[in-house]
Amino acid sequence: GAVVSQHPSWVICKSGTSVKIECRSLDFQATTMFWYRQFPKQSLMLMATSNEGSKATYEQGVEKDKFLINHASLTLSTLTVTSAHPEDSSFYICSARVGVGTEAFFGQGTRLTVV
Amino acid sequence: QQQVKQSPQSLIVQKGGISIINCAYENTAFDYFPWYQQFPGKGPALLIAIRPDVSEKKEGRFTISFNKSAKQFSLHIMDSQPGDSATYFCHGGTSYGKLTFGQGTILTVHP
Repeated sequence: GAVVSQHPSWVICKSGTSVKIECRSLDFQATTMFWYRQFPKQSLMLMATSNEGSKATYEQGVEKDKFLINHASLTLSTLTVTSAHPEDSSFYICSARVGVGTEAFFGQGTRLTVV
Repeated sequence: QQQVKQSPQSLIVQKGGISIINCAYENTAFDYFPWYQQFPGKGPALLIAIRPDVSEKKEGRFTISFNKSAKQFSLHIMDSQPGDSATYFCHGGTSYGKLTFGQGTILTVHP
């Protein structure tokens, strides 16, 4: 299947700093990527849908200014957690679809710990 | 709005047994129903998927049964193995839009 690479796999940052997470589709072009957040033993919560060349569509309750999403190319989307706080600590996962009507492939996730 | 309801939340099965996880959806526009398997600290991986034009799809030990009229679909794992122990998510969505995850089922297969 198609490969989605997420980087970094884990990151520890100080409260108040910003962290950028990258999501790359390695062997296909992804016009749409999705960003999820997952708390321990819970399901994945969709945060936003990222479309190449346009603004991301955020789910209700997700702070746009807090979680900045950029989809600058067909193979790269980034999630920046700005002014991170301990409550932002979570597992963040991206996914991408090869095209319309196809399955979604997921990155390996990024464990963010804010201290 | 919870559009996909998954049950049970946890499941314990003996090695060699059958694991069954169920999902119910509300949105009749959904036309794509995948199941994902997730191990701790990893992203979900596609296990098997079905579209509503068929009632069953089998891949190895994994089978999806789909009931369009009841708006339900289920995952059956035959001859369950300890290596199948993971969290399983059903997913409902449309071919063009976002996908909605079920709550997840933690499967434990005892040796």
